[in-house]
Amino acid sequence: GDSVTQMEGPVTLSEEAFLTINCTYTATGYPSLFWYVQYPGEGLQLLLKATKADDKGSNKGFEATYRKETTSFHLEKGSVQVSDSAVYFCALRPFGSATGKLIFGQGTTLQVKP
Amino acid sequence: EADIYQIPRYLVIGTGKKITLECSQTMGHDKMYWYQQDPGMELHLIHYSYGVNSTEKGDLSSESTVSRIRTEHFPLTLESARPSHTSQYLCASSDTGANVLTFGAGSRLTVL
Repeated sequence: GDSVTQMEGPVTLSEEAFLTINCTYTATGYPSLFWYVQYPGEGLQLLLKATKADDKGSNKGFEATYRKETTSFHLEKGSVQVSDSAVYFCALRPFGSATGKLIFGQGTTLQVKP
Repeated sequence: EADIYQIPRYLVIGTGKKITLECSQTMGHDKMYWYQQDPGMELHLIHYSYGVNSTEKGDLSSESTVSRIRTEHFPLTLESARPSHTSQYLCASSDTGANVLTFGAGSRLTVL
């Protein structure tokens, strides 16, 4: 079945450092791909998404490109801030699914130190 | 600004008690979902609904039950809580296109 694998955390960076969180997936066809972020004590918020190959999703300085050839959707940010400290989830919606059910990766905790 | 509301945010109860976690959304979304989030942060779908009077079991087996009598309301009930039910429960909804899920802030349940 479809699945999502994220790099293990926690990831600890200094402020203004470059961030990469790796995400790879296994799925048939062309799933839609998402990054969600969960700040402490809150629910998940959509960060960005991409619905077809080579699409780039971007929001708040974060970017991710849908790479069909490597089945990846890595999250990047050029300069992280302390306020970016959160748990990041990569997710996919299976190709052709009308249910809206998402399959999530295990989450990656990011800690940014001043 | 939250468009999907979960009550309570935090609940501590004793074993054997019946509890209901409330979830309401004001967006008119057809589809609603309950995810269970374990301490390791992984999310598992336990229930979903396509619309009024439609409910389905999710990918992770759960002793909880749900109902969908009104479009905006999707409560989750545990008839007899046990310590193994201690977890965070996240409610979400999506529109007919089912492209994006909107999540509530979560209900953190602790069963002693």
